[in-house]
Amino acid sequence: AQSVTQLGSHVSVSEGALVLLRCNYSSSVPPYLFWYVQYPNQGLQLLLKYTSAATLVKGINGFEAEFKKSETSFHLTKPSAHMSDAAEYFCAVSDLSGGSYIPTFGRGTSLIVHP
Amino acid sequence: EAGVTQSPTHLIKTRGQQATLRCSPISGHTSVYWYQQALGLGLQFLLWYDEGEERNRGNFPPRFSGRQFPNYSSELNVNALELEDSALYLCASSLIVGLAHEQYFGPGTRLTVT
Repeated sequence: AQSVTQLGSHVSVSEGALVLLRCNYSSSVPPYLFWYVQYPNQGLQLLLKYTSAATLVKGINGFEAEFKKSETSFHLTKPSAHMSDAAEYFCAVSDLSGGSYIPTFGRGTSLIVHP
Repeated sequence: EAGVTQSPTHLIKTRGQQATLRCSPISGHTSVYWYQQALGLGLQFLLWYDEGEERNRGNFPPRFSGRQFPNYSSELNVNALELEDSALYLCASSLIVGLAHEQYFGPGTRLTVT
């Protein structure tokens, strides 16, 4: 069965610093991978997705993620944090192990940005 | 283009009552998903509807049910409400491209059970 682990329920950075949010997955077959962002009192918004094309995926708002099969990781990065990046971030994995490609979500990482 | 809409925004019920939550997908999307987001637990998959039929179901009791209408909108029903059903319920829609379920989420319905 597929699963997702997001290391660190909270990550704190200073404005202008590098953002690194970690995601590791378990999947018995090549997966699809997603990162979503959730702002307070809102639903989830797709940041980026990996669907077996380029391993380095660029998303919206300056975020990118790299698929590393050997490490079963899909970490999310942004070179310079903005105050507006403060939100909850969810990693999701999708493969056929559960009988369909419905994504499984991690528990989320709250990004805190200090001025 | 209008996004996924959900109603009501907030819902307060008493233990043992029934709750009905509604979702309208993005125009052209045929799949609708329901998730429960309880504090600290991430998103737990509830139900997936496509073309009017239930395609998959998460590990929830039968008192969680729903349906999809001919216009692809959907409703989620929760019977015999329990205190632990208090959560944000998110609806998502997608147009499945290949095998990937690229989901677009609504703002959610906050259900409080007292």
